[in-house]
Amino acid sequence: EDQVTQSPEALRLQEGESSSLNCSYTVSGLRGLFWYRQDPGKGPEFLFTLYSAGEEKEKERLKATLTKKESFLHITAPKPEDSATYLCAVRVYSGGYQKVTFGIGTKLQVIP
Amino acid sequence: KAGVTQTPRYLIKTRGQQVTLSCSPISGHRSVSWYQQTPGQGLQFLFEYFSETQRNKGNFPGRFSGRQFSNSRSEMNVSTLELGDSALYLCASSLESGTGNTIYFGEGSWLTVV
Repeated sequence: EDQVTQSPEALRLQEGESSSLNCSYTVSGLRGLFWYRQDPGKGPEFLFTLYSAGEEKEKERLKATLTKKESFLHITAPKPEDSATYLCAVRVYSGGYQKVTFGIGTKLQVIP
Repeated sequence: KAGVTQTPRYLIKTRGQQVTLSCSPISGHRSVSWYQQTPGQGLQFLFEYFSETQRNKGNFPGRFSGRQFSNSRSEMNVSTLELGDSALYLCASSLESGTGNTIYFGEGSWLTVV
């Protein structure tokens, strides 16, 4: 069964304190790994898609990387507005169809 | 370009009733999928529609159903509501149901069952 595990479940950082969120996956036939940001009461907002090991993507203070078993979301010098839940999802090919499985998320709090 | 639009945003229903939620995908997107989000379970996949056909289905009881219209708009229906159905229901759309297509989410419909 496809599994997506995110760690830590919650993370509290001081403003400017860089860190990384982890998303490990056990799937066969990966067709893409997605990172989303979700603010309370809102739908997930798309951040990145990664397709193959070694791929990296950046957006402002965020950088996503991918290996064969996990992905990292690096947050450099975070600001309070980066506080949100970060979700990881994998798309696989299963039974003739594409299937997307989400992790439970990492709740990030950045303190001024 | 308008995003994924879900209606209603908030609703309260009584146990045993039924509810219909609506989703308008991004213009040009033909794939629509539905998710249930609860604090303990995260996002759970309900089903996906592409060109009016259900392509995939998650592990939810038959009380949960959906459909897609020719203009790609989609509805999901939950019958005989239970207290445990209280959740945020998210609709997402993508160009097609395949590799290379980013999934974009709506703001969700908050359902409370009392």
